[in-house]
Formats: sequence, C-alpha cells, structure tokens
Amino acid sequence: DGGITQSPKYLFRKEGQNVTLSCEQNLNHDAMYWYRQDPGQGLRLIYYSQIVNDFQKGDIAEGYSVSREKKESFPLTVTSAQKNPTAFYLCASSWGRRSNQPQHFGDGTRLSIL
Amino acid sequence: KNQVEQSPQSLIILEGKNCTLQCNYTVSPFSNLRWYKQDTGRGPVSLTIMTFSENTKSNGRYTATLDADTKQSSLHITASQLSDSASYICVVRDENDMRFGAGTRLTVKP
Repeated sequence: DGGITQSPKYLFRKEGQNVTLSCEQNLNHDAMYWYRQDPGQGLRLIYYSQIVNDFQKGDIAEGYSVSREKKESFPLTVTSAQKNPTAFYLCASSWGRRSNQPQHFGDGTRLSIL
Repeated sequence: KNQVEQSPQSLIILEGKNCTLQCNYTVSPFSNLRWYKQDTGRGPVSLTIMTFSENTKSNGRYTATLDADTKQSSLHITASQLSDSASYICVVRDENDMRFGAGTRLTVKP
C-alpha cells in the first residue's frame, strides 16, 4: 500500500542535542512538507520541498533544518537552537504545492524534552 | 489573527445524534476549502474539498457546505458513531498557501 511513514513515533531530546525525525513516502509525490502541531493551534509550516535538492522555509523554520536528497525522503532535524521543541510533528506529501489534490499525512512524531 | 477560525473548540454529543462544526475564514483570494479528520495520535485524513462554485457536498454521513460570500463553511455529521470521535480541521487554500484552523475536538459518547 502506498503511504507516508514517520519514525520514530515518540522521541525525547536532551538539552543541547540535535534530533532527526524521519519521513518516507512511496506515493511518488513531488512535494513534501513538515508541520508542527501544538494544542489549540492550527498546523504551522516548518519547511517544504517541491523537488529533490530544493527546499523552502515555511512560517516557523528557525531552529529546524531539512534535506531532500531523494524524492522519497524528507528528514527534519530539530536543532539545539529550537528552544521550545515539544510538539507533535507531522510530515505530508502531495503532487505539487499548488495542487488541489489533498496532502497525505504521516502519523506523526511526538517530541518531548528530557 | 488566524485567517481560519473554527467553532466550537470542543463538542461532546451522544452516539446517534447529529452535529455541525463551523469554519469561518478571511483567506483571500479563495481557491478551495478542505475538511480533514484527525484521530488522536494520527495524521489528518481528507474528508472533502469545496471549491468556489460548490455549495454542498456529501461523503457518507458527512456533509460540507460553503458560502463563499460570507466566507463560511460547515461540516454536518449525521447519526454520529463512536468512531467519529476525532479532531476536525478546516484548511483554506489561497493561490500559494494553505491556512489551517485549530480544529474542533469532537467526542461521541455511548
């Protein structure tokens, strides 16, 4: 079955540590996205990529970094510069950023601070 | 101020009852509006999309409406089931971006 897979499901970060969240899709989608979800707020866009080796900052990119070396993969690194990283992180993919087709979401990674 | 406002924030209903969730937006220019269902600890899943020319669209027990003049949409759930317990998120697209509402948390009790 085609889909989008995020791992791990739960992740804990120590002070000063960088952590990387994995996102893989086998839908052959060109565009991939990272969102942050906090209680009582709508999803906020961290980064997006419309093509391999290219990505753009979203609304809240500070303290995060991404790479897009393969079409199927779009990992997100939460760096030590992100002072409030505790949140639910969602990865999504679609045919194109301006497409009317729906985004397909993974089941998220919940990041907490130790 | 968020460009997509949803109400109520949370709602509790008894199994078998109907309910209506609201979405008001200020996003402009309007391209489309989509409703997603998000189960606890899972990613959102698309329920339906509304374009400018559509007033009503049904997907099983879910019926979405759109009034582009007043910039309002609603999601009506008929004969609710326990599995309808989830967050329902309204997403409005303009030419370039998508704007997400904070969602309505629906709990259906037996």
